Amino acid sequence: DTGVSQDPRHKITKRGQNVTFRCDPISEHNRLYWYRQTLGQGPEFLTYFQNEAQLEKSRLLSDRFSAERPKGSFSTLEIQRTEQGDSAMYLCASSFWGPEETQYFGPGTRLLVL
Amino acid sequence: DQQVKQNSPSLSVQEGRISILNCDYTNSMFDYFLWYKKYPAEGPTFLISISSIKDKNEDGRFTVFLNKSAKHLSLHIVPSQPGDSAVYFCAASATGGFKTIFGAGTRLFVKA
Repeated sequence: DTGVSQDPRHKITKRGQNVTFRCDPISEHNRLYWYRQTLGQGPEFLTYFQNEAQLEKSRLLSDRFSAERPKGSFSTLEIQRTEQGDSAMYLCASSFWGPEETQYFGPGTRLLVL
Repeated sequence: DQQVKQNSPSLSVQEGRISILNCDYTNSMFDYFLWYKKYPAEGPTFLISISSIKDKNEDGRFTVFLNKSAKHLSLHIVPSQPGDSAVYFCAASATGGFKTIFGAGTRLFVKA
């Protein structure tokens, strides 16, 4: 297994445009997480899926953000009408749910909104 | 409300010496603790973890110590190598929960 992959690695967009990011988790993992990280901070939880069900969303996730995980495999995170404050690193992680659950991260997608 | 705190933004250590990175937490429900390492432009990489039933876990040059009464954990790297220069994140979670809470990170510089 090659680990968690994310695409694209970098995205530059203009304010007001929509962007979509993809995450492919480790194949046997049933949980998938999205985080946002800004400079000088640790990863901040956005949302997570167990299989195909989205079970929790952070209050950080405004109505402009939506995430899906069709068929419990890959996931997409869409940001509509991007704002400059959305500029950040978006990280995806996957895990196998259970005691001592350990999340494994992808390389991240760095978003810059101009 | 920062439940996981890394109070040292940076640490500089000479190659070959010990690096000690510290982390404090406030939520007594946390029972599993992890350390991640992050290089620039990459995602965090899992390094080592410890369950609350233990007070020490060792993996090669890396040892994590947990002091539950003080709600404190530390990561020891011995001997430190220049390739260890990175940002280290402490994280904590609770059994039955879904959130892993991360600290703000400590940037480690290992000087050759």
